[in-house]
Amino acid sequence: DVVMTQSPLSLPVTLGQPASISCRSSQSLVHSDGNTYLNWFQLRPGQSPRRLIYQVSSRDSGVPDRFSGSGSGTDFTLKISRVEAEDVGVYYCMQGTHWPTFGQGTKVEIK
Amino acid sequence: DVQLLESGGGSVQPGGSLRLSCATSGLTFGSYAMSWVRQAPGKGLEWFSSISSGGDATYYADSVKGRFTVSRDNSKNTLYLQMNNLRVEDTAIYYCAKGGRRSGAWYIEYWGQGTLVTVSS
Repeated sequence: DVVMTQSPLSLPVTLGQPASISCRSSQSLVHSDGNTYLNWFQLRPGQSPRRLIYQVSSRDSGVPDRFSGSGSGTDFTLKISRVEAEDVGVYYCMQGTHWPTFGQGTKVEIK
Repeated sequence: DVQLLESGGGSVQPGGSLRLSCATSGLTFGSYAMSWVRQAPGKGLEWFSSISSGGDATYYADSVKGRFTVSRDNSKNTLYLQMNNLRVEDTAIYYCAKGGRRSGAWYIEYWGQGTLVTVSS
């Protein structure tokens, strides 16, 4: 299986400041159809997991534009331009190019 | 709005069985692949089963193959997971998800709230 490695695993951030999470895959995530199936999910306490980003950089409907995704091949990044209190939670990258696998998760908390 | 509501979780002894259900609304259920994902305590997420929109294709991770069976009833807009020969390591929150295999790739769009399964003697 493709191993997804996130860093950092814990990310204390100051409200209003930017945050960045890295996700690296053990194999290229470029599918034979030319697309790259890299997603980002948010798990907030007491809520259902929510998809934020699909195919590296496409934001889901209703997701604030402070969230952005980038990357290619095996290296990907989720950025939050200005962290708000509601962003506290655990963030996971997930690849869907091969049998789907998730990163270990990055816990975002407010300093 | 898409809603996915899991039920059927609980406590069971090793070797026992449970059947989870996922009732859905707000989507044309029979048009979409569906999946199950779980999260063991203190661990990450594991995608372990999917079923095609018509139910004719199923997929399993090695960790559950031969023990778990995914099925669906499109007339009832409901997804099921039959879990047999449960092990302590199957203890987890089980999530139902809208999504699965599409054109050779895998996707999830929506998740349920999850139901807790505890396997312990």
